[in-house]
Amino acid sequence: EDKVVQSPLSLVVHEGDTVTLNCSYEVTNFRSLLWYKQEKKAPTFLFMLTSSGIEKKSGRLSSILDKKELFSILNITATQTGDSAIYLCAVYYNAGNNRKLIWGLGTSLAVNP
Amino acid sequence: DTGVSQNPRHKITKRGQNVTFRCDPISEHNRLYWYRQTLGQGPEFLTYFQNEAQLEKSRLLSDRFSAERPKGSFSTLEIQRTEQGDSAMYLCASSFPGLPREYFGPGTRLLVL
Repeated sequence: EDKVVQSPLSLVVHEGDTVTLNCSYEVTNFRSLLWYKQEKKAPTFLFMLTSSGIEKKSGRLSSILDKKELFSILNITATQTGDSAIYLCAVYYNAGNNRKLIWGLGTSLAVNP
Repeated sequence: DTGVSQNPRHKITKRGQNVTFRCDPISEHNRLYWYRQTLGQGPEFLTYFQNEAQLEKSRLLSDRFSAERPKGSFSTLEIQRTEQGDSAMYLCASSFPGLPREYFGPGTRLLVL
């Protein structure tokens, strides 16, 4: 069965810490992996990764994909309280004649001052 | 505002009543998705449309749920005979043809008393 698993499910850190969030997947015909951030509203897009080993970076956030080991990590350095959110991972893949997106359950990150 | 819009933003109803939500996607997007999300969880896929065709419906979706997209533009999601377990955030998203990134609306938060 196709699935996306995120870990940890929740995480509490202090401001300034660095965190690494994991997303592993098992799908056939992988196409891309997406990261979203969700605060108290709809998810907002962070990154889309299609190639192994190429880091995507945006400010203090960065992400990389390993298509051999079937996972991605999202790093956040020098965390701030505004980073507190649920971080969602989704994988886009071919399923028959359709392309599908499957979501992980998310990692809930709390950054304490 | 050319983003995805949803109405209403909040709905409180009594158990057993019917409710209908509306989603207006980004106009160039031919794919439209409905998700349900409960607190602390990732989005749970409900159904999606390509133009006016409903291509997939989650097995988790009971017969009380129905969605339409009659002209391939806006969509409605109706829940009949609501139950307390239907209380959740209902998210709509849309995407460009053939691209994985989904653009989310602000969601409709449903509370069934």
